[in-house]
Amino acid sequence: DPKIIQKPKYLVAVTGSEKILICEQYLGHNAMYWYRQSAKKPLEFMFSYSYQKLMDNQTASSRFQPQSSKKNHLDLQITALKPDDSATYFCASSQDHSANSDYTFGSGTRLLVI
Amino acid sequence: GDQVEQSPSALSLHEGTDSALRCNFTTTMRSVQWFRQNSRGSLISLFYLASGTKENGRLKSAFDSKERRYSTLHIRDAQLEDSGTYFCAAGNNNAGAKLTFGGGTRLTVRP
Repeated sequence: DPKIIQKPKYLVAVTGSEKILICEQYLGHNAMYWYRQSAKKPLEFMFSYSYQKLMDNQTASSRFQPQSSKKNHLDLQITALKPDDSATYFCASSQDHSANSDYTFGSGTRLLVI
Repeated sequence: GDQVEQSPSALSLHEGTDSALRCNFTTTMRSVQWFRQNSRGSLISLFYLASGTKENGRLKSAFDSKERRYSTLHIRDAQLEDSGTYFCAAGNNNAGAKLTFGGGTRLTVRP
């Protein structure tokens, strides 16, 4: 059974629209994250949360807003979508929010903005 | 910022051979994690190390415990199912819980 569920697996969106990427983890972890993998680039850190509080934000644009309704949920709302937002978005979690943590990644949401 | 340099960027192996992948860090890192990304795009964790070495079957990873500036992943007796892209990612106390990823090694194992 997948320990981190990301929905949807694939998403096509029109430029200017808004989408929400869903992430739920069933590992009992206290920290959750979002990473982005664009074509021909390493995975890039976007956000980290610990006990539903934002800990770190390295996303330049306010169009990306994480939302944590429950401890094991961290959704990602993206507004005013642009073609450059096309990427695979990975959710991850770890037991604690520290550099010593072992991460588990979800299978990703592949977003295409046309 | 912190950088993770991964080498080689691509590697082709015959079945049954051995090889090693390497990650160099531009600064001292606290931990390293190795992942394999399969053809469906899923990231599978292989090893997490805060120091020393770990082994799992034909895979073995080491993290330089002294200066904490590099890590290696050894693949022994490569099999077709080992094909994929391997990423290392490192954590640094100065960067919170953020992992910095290397650019990946695309491994192809041929019969």
